[in-house]
Amino acid sequence: DADVTQTPRNRITKTGKRIMLECSQTKGHDRMYWYRQDPGLGLRLIYYSFDVKDINKGEISDGYSVSRQAQAKFSLSLESAIPNQTALYFCATSDLRAGSTDTQYFGPGTRLTVL
Amino acid sequence: RKEVEQDPGPFNVPEGATVAFNCTYSNSASQSFFWYRQDCRKEPKLLMSVYSSGNEDGRFTAQLNRASQYISLLIRDSKLSDSATYLCVVNPPGAGNMLTFGGGTRLMVKP
Repeated sequence: DADVTQTPRNRITKTGKRIMLECSQTKGHDRMYWYRQDPGLGLRLIYYSFDVKDINKGEISDGYSVSRQAQAKFSLSLESAIPNQTALYFCATSDLRAGSTDTQYFGPGTRLTVL
Repeated sequence: RKEVEQDPGPFNVPEGATVAFNCTYSNSASQSFFWYRQDCRKEPKLLMSVYSSGNEDGRFTAQLNRASQYISLLIRDSKLSDSATYLCVVNPPGAGNMLTFGGGTRLMVKP
């Protein structure tokens, strides 16, 4: 079974709809992230969370919100989807311990299309 | 200027060729550097970390040039399975272990 899972894997929706993307992990990591990927722009950080009570905005948080329901779950919401939010969305986790590098482990991605 | 810049490619090479990618980063105080690999429509996966002294993992060699602020990835004896997008990733100082991703360099290895 995958360590980081995302649901749904694909979603087509209409402008103005509320959408929730979910992420679950079995790695036991404290840190979780949401990124979006657009062609040629690389991955850009939307929100991140270092533990259940910690939520932080990333580079491009406008139009998005998140909820860290438990250590293992981190959901991303688009309150009112717009076409330029069409992208590939990735959830990631990491577990920084003393002396280690912060390797991030990614989920399989959610392809979102907003019409 | 982008924080992490890469030539998007594609680099089209024959099997068995040696190919090198460079990546430049803007923050001279950055401490951690990585190469991630991303297959088409898949998630990125860590390929290797990049250490100051350079490091090698099989056919892959990563090097860091702090003076010129660039990172390189060399792939020897290219295989068809090496076809992917290679993402240069930097952890800038004060970023709380946040990673900054380059746009990726696409490699296509042809038979």
